[in-house]
Amino acid sequence: DIQMTQSPSSLSASVGDRVTITCRASQGISNNLAWYQQKLGKVPKLLIYAASILESGVPSRFSGSGSATDFTLTISSLQPEDVATYYCQKYNSAPWTFGQGTKVEIK
Amino acid sequence: EVQLVESGGGLVQPGGSLRLSCAASGFTVSSNYMNWVRQAPGKGLEWVSGIYSGDNTHYADSVKGRFTISRDNSKNTLYLQMNSLRAEDTAVYYCASGYTYGKLDYWGQGTLITVSS
Repeated sequence: DIQMTQSPSSLSASVGDRVTITCRASQGISNNLAWYQQKLGKVPKLLIYAASILESGVPSRFSGSGSATDFTLTISSLQPEDVATYYCQKYNSAPWTFGQGTKVEIK
Repeated sequence: EVQLVESGGGLVQPGGSLRLSCAASGFTVSSNYMNWVRQAPGKGLEWVSGIYSGDNTHYADSVKGRFTISRDNSKNTLYLQMNSLRAEDTAVYYCASGYTYGKLDYWGQGTLITVSS
């Protein structure tokens, strides 16, 4: 099975900073990748699918890029409400494996 | 408005069985991509199982042969039959689905399964 590896596992940044999270697939998955945000005690929320398509209603400061094995989620200007854990998930074929998550905090 | 409501969670002994249900409203279980995702306490998300078009079913290696996913179209409900439960199956189980393959647009609130003696 394809493994999904996120980095870093956690990060601390200041409000307004540009934040980048990386997700690497152990084999090529084309653009079959989604990103989710999970705030503490809440249900995960879809942010981005097809590697770069922003889900309706998601703030434009979030963006995704990449294809094949290397993907990034970027928050262009970190806001206090962005404190959460972020997960990538591949869906080229089952199993729809998640990355281990990246916890984002405010410095 | 789409709603997914899980039920059936609780405390079960190792080796025991449990069946989870996910009742959908505003959304048709039969014609969409239905999944179970779990999250162990303090841990990340783990995709568990999915049922897709043509009733094709898929499982994570960690549950293959022990869990069975199914759906009752007349009740618009998704199920997860869990047998031979282990301590490591302890988690919140979410029902998650979407209209498009790969997108988990909708999530239930989750139901907690605790496997312990």
